[in-house]
Amino acid sequence: EAQVTQNPRYLITVTGKKLTVTCSQNMNHEYMSWYRQDPGLGLRQIYYSMNVEVTDKGDVPEGYKVSRKEKRNFPLILESPSPNQTSLYFCASSLGLAAQTYNEQFFGPGTRLTVL
Amino acid sequence: GESVGLHLPTLSVQEGDNSIINCAYSNSASDYFIWYKQESGKGPQFIIDIRSNMDKRQGQRVTVLLNKTVKHLSLQIAATQPGDSAVYFCAENIDNFNKFYFGSGTKLNVKP
Repeated sequence: EAQVTQNPRYLITVTGKKLTVTCSQNMNHEYMSWYRQDPGLGLRQIYYSMNVEVTDKGDVPEGYKVSRKEKRNFPLILESPSPNQTSLYFCASSLGLAAQTYNEQFFGPGTRLTVL
Repeated sequence: GESVGLHLPTLSVQEGDNSIINCAYSNSASDYFIWYKQESGKGPQFIIDIRSNMDKRQGQRVTVLLNKTVKHLSLQIAATQPGDSAVYFCAENIDNFNKFYFGSGTKLNVKP
């Protein structure tokens, strides 16, 4: 089944304790992206990756890191989480070819992160 | 399930009626627009998209209209069903498919 998976689905942690949220897709997609969703704000893009070893900042990158060593995986790293990073996080992927006319993004199920 | 938003604009329609959800986008340079549906506890799901060189595109029971003059996007759902109840987001894309900006969403409530 074509899908985007995220782990963990729920995480409660404390300020300053490094954590990683994993994201994996099995559709051979080039483009991957991380979003956070907060009440009343919709989804905001954190980082995206056009392909392996190519990453760039989205709208709200502060406090986050990403890596893209393999095509299928795009982990989100919080080196020193803070309470304002408490949010619902989504990973997404798409074919990502700029020349394509239409470019559907497939989203993972979400990770609910609480930072105390 | 997860709560995706508080105090979202809400549209309530009767089952079988048509629904129209509106979205104003911000950047006149945006050239690609997408509508997503998000059910409680799930990630957003693609519904339909449109490029800026079009003003209308139709899918199965859904139509997206784009008015670039006033930077307005709408999603029309024909014969709305209870399964259409969800939060709907519009998204705009600039920078050649790299960056996406989402609206804050509209909650659609379908009454049986």
